[in-house]
Amino acid sequence: EPEVTQTPSHQVTQMGQEVILRCVPISNHLYFYWYRQILGQKVEFLVSFYNNEISEKSEIFDDQFSVERPDGSNFTLKIRSTKLEDSAMYFCASSVTGEQFFGPGTRLTVL
Amino acid sequence: SQQGEEDPQALSIQEGENATMNCSYKTSINNLQWYRQNSGRGLVHLILIRSNEREKHSGRLRVTLDTSKKSSSLLITASRAADTASYFCATDAFSGSRLTFGEGTQLTVNP
Repeated sequence: EPEVTQTPSHQVTQMGQEVILRCVPISNHLYFYWYRQILGQKVEFLVSFYNNEISEKSEIFDDQFSVERPDGSNFTLKIRSTKLEDSAMYFCASSVTGEQFFGPGTRLTVL
Repeated sequence: SQQGEEDPQALSIQEGENATMNCSYKTSINNLQWYRQNSGRGLVHLILIRSNEREKHSGRLRVTLDTSKKSSSLLITASRAADTASYFCATDAFSGSRLTFGEGTQLTVNP
């Protein structure tokens, strides 16, 4: 069964460093998303991407964040200068329409 | 406004019993989805119910939707210890749009 994959599973970085989180969505899906979940809190939407451009973004998704679909399979989230409060699980999701399927997540720890 | 509030926040039952979790939301929706999350892991899609549907079944899962009350319930029948997890409802406003998650219900099924 096709699934969304994410790498790395864990990332530890120093405050101020750039990180790139990678996702491979399900191959025939058209919509791509990033969400995050701070430990013990609910899942929060960051950004959605459709037809090679951002279709929606939340107030969390500020200038420090960017997304790219550099080729036909990968979907990346870049955080330019990480802050302590960026520590969270980051989930990628994809959909055709309706059901959103999530990857296993990347646990980002900012020290 | 907060979307997708689940209750109870925590539920503890014995194996074999049924578990019912409820979700309420505030704005109009297109779809409502339920997800399961084991501790520290990814989100597993369980079931989607469309705004024009009232009930849906999948295996031991039964979901109802009452758009007049802006609420949904997830029933897990004949629960198993392996059902122990957090359960979240999530709503979208239109196909392809962001999901808005609730706080979740932590279900513990005791063997």
